Amino acid sequence: DTAVSQTPKYLVTQMGNDKSIKCEQNLGHDTMYWYKQDSKKFLKIMFSYNNKELIINETVPNRFSPKSPDKAHLNLHINSLELGDSAVYFCASSRSGGSKNIQYFGAGTRLSVL
Amino acid sequence: EDKVVQSPLSLVVHEGDTVTLNCSYEVTNFRSLLWYKQEKKAPTFLFMLTSSGIEKKSGRLSSILDKKELFSILNITATQTGDSAVYLCAVVMGSGGGADGLTFGKGTHLIIQP
Repeated sequence: DTAVSQTPKYLVTQMGNDKSIKCEQNLGHDTMYWYKQDSKKFLKIMFSYNNKELIINETVPNRFSPKSPDKAHLNLHINSLELGDSAVYFCASSRSGGSKNIQYFGAGTRLSVL
Repeated sequence: EDKVVQSPLSLVVHEGDTVTLNCSYEVTNFRSLLWYKQEKKAPTFLFMLTSSGIEKKSGRLSSILDKKELFSILNITATQTGDSAVYLCAVVMGSGGGADGLTFGKGTHLIIQP
């Protein structure tokens, strides 16, 4: 069983569209994250979500919104897609607190905005 | 501004060589440092380091943290072609009570030639 799974793996869409990426973890973790990896392979935190506490990276446009129906899921909704949103988006999860913040990553969703 | 700097950015060696990858950091409220290996998809966890001077070891890979000089190294001995990947260093900051995202370096792209 895949521990952190994302869907879809690939997403090709037009500028201006709205799209969602889904993430599910079966590790029993209480914290989930979204990261963006740009064309230079630089991974940057976008959001982290823990027990209804949302921490937002201030550089993330408000067109991006995470939605968590429960602790095992954190979806990413993107409005009015722009060319610069093209990247690989990774979901991750971990246990919160203490020093055990080992994050486990999904396989990524490659988003291409045309 | 918090930063994590990895060096070298790329490295090409021959199978059987030993390599040392470097990671230095300047961050507020340091909690831990993690190493990940990224091949084609998800970053996979290698080590978490929280205390200075204690070497973590897994097979041919080992890592150590120096909290006084603010750096970590990742050693790989007797390299194999399967070690070819991007090695990512990341730092966890924060109070430890909530959802602390990882701050990544830009990675070291390691290529092992047969």
